[in-house]
Amino acid sequence: DTEVTQTPKHLVMGMTNKKSLKCEQHMGHRAMYWYKQKAKKPPELMFVYSYEKLSINESVPSRFSPECPNSSLLNLHLHALQPEDSALYLCASSQGLAQSYEQYFGPGTRLTVT
Amino acid sequence: AQSVAQPEDQVNVAEGNPLTVKCTYSVSGNPYLFWYVQYPNRGLQFLLKYITGDNLVKGSYGFEAEFNKSQTSFHLKKPSALVSDSALYFCAVSSSFDRGSTLGRLYFGRGTQLTVWP
Repeated sequence: DTEVTQTPKHLVMGMTNKKSLKCEQHMGHRAMYWYKQKAKKPPELMFVYSYEKLSINESVPSRFSPECPNSSLLNLHLHALQPEDSALYLCASSQGLAQSYEQYFGPGTRLTVT
Repeated sequence: AQSVAQPEDQVNVAEGNPLTVKCTYSVSGNPYLFWYVQYPNRGLQFLLKYITGDNLVKGSYGFEAEFNKSQTSFHLKKPSALVSDSALYFCAVSSSFDRGSTLGRLYFGRGTQLTVWP
């Protein structure tokens, strides 16, 4: 099974709301990622977790807060977002952080900030 | 720094014809090369990778890619295109030199939109 699941599929939120995106994998992978993708553009790395510890934070604004409660779950907490944060948010996982491991992506959450 | 170039924004090919989507890379150290495909409103799907060994790599759905070290290229190919292959294709690279804060990072090309017409 090479499936990464993400919920919700779509999310519309106001600039004062607090919401969370969820990601789950059951492949036994120890690295998990959050990406932001604008239409027709490559994904932009936001955060990387390895063995449930934050490994990379790409200078993401603090209105995005990641959490990795266990090796299978990854959350992204959203607060006071801006309209320019509207995008497809992708979660991915890989066996580890080694350069040779491919990443498996979830279907994404389409976020609209109004 | 590592980088990937996909020189074509758009590739159009007739169904049944061979297709090629181009990718060139620049890395320090040895490259690890990947191809991903993205269908509309979906996540990226892994197609194939080159780590070491045979320069011709075979992947999912009949796709293959050829690693050429002298030309620093990793072009994606398929002998006979299908309409269902129409999608956005991304080439990505990581490097054997990646350590610490760069470990786990994939460097993506800007993507190539493949359209296969019937």
